[in-house]
Amino acid sequence: AQSVTQPDIHITVSEGASLELRCNYSYGATPYLFWYVQSPGQGLQLLLKYFSGDTLVQGIKGFEAEFKRSQSSFNLRKPSVHWSDAAEYFCAVGREYGNKLVFGAGTILRVKS
Amino acid sequence: DTEVTQTPKHLVMGMTNKKSLKCEQHMGHRAMYWYKQKAKKPPELMFVYSYEKLSINESVPSRFSPECPNSSLLNLHLHALQPEDSALYLCASKAPGQIAGELFFGEGSRLTVL
Repeated sequence: AQSVTQPDIHITVSEGASLELRCNYSYGATPYLFWYVQSPGQGLQLLLKYFSGDTLVQGIKGFEAEFKRSQSSFNLRKPSVHWSDAAEYFCAVGREYGNKLVFGAGTILRVKS
Repeated sequence: DTEVTQTPKHLVMGMTNKKSLKCEQHMGHRAMYWYKQKAKKPPELMFVYSYEKLSINESVPSRFSPECPNSSLLNLHLHALQPEDSALYLCASKAPGQIAGELFFGEGSRLTVL
């Protein structure tokens, strides 16, 4: 069965500092991996996705993520965090066929000025 | 139009009330989803409609009744809810042929059951 682990419940970074949010997945076949962001009281927005090919994927808002099969990881990064990046971030794994998406527990990002 | 619109944004209901949540999209997506999200938790899948047919029901209690009257509209009918059903209810949609996960989410309907 698919599962996703986000080890960090909360992370606080200073504005302008770099960011890395961790995600580990468990899936027997080729994973389809996603990062979503949710601002307070809002729906989720897709930041980026990985299906195959280049293991470094670029997303919206200056985010990128790197797929490492050997570590079963798909960590999200941003070189310089802005105060508007404060939100909750969810890693998720899906399948090529079917409609299910499994979310991690989420990481709340706080940005201090 | 790249939006999923949910109404109402907020709903307060008593345990004996009957109410409905509505979701609409005009992107031509043929898969539509209901998720439930409790505070500080990830979204939990409730139902999936694919081409207007119910394809996934995650063992949701019958007090939640989904309906997909056409390809653009998804409803969630609520009846005899419990206070523990208070949550943010998120609707999402996906284009045909896209991988599970490329979802467009609405902003949610925040439900409070008294």
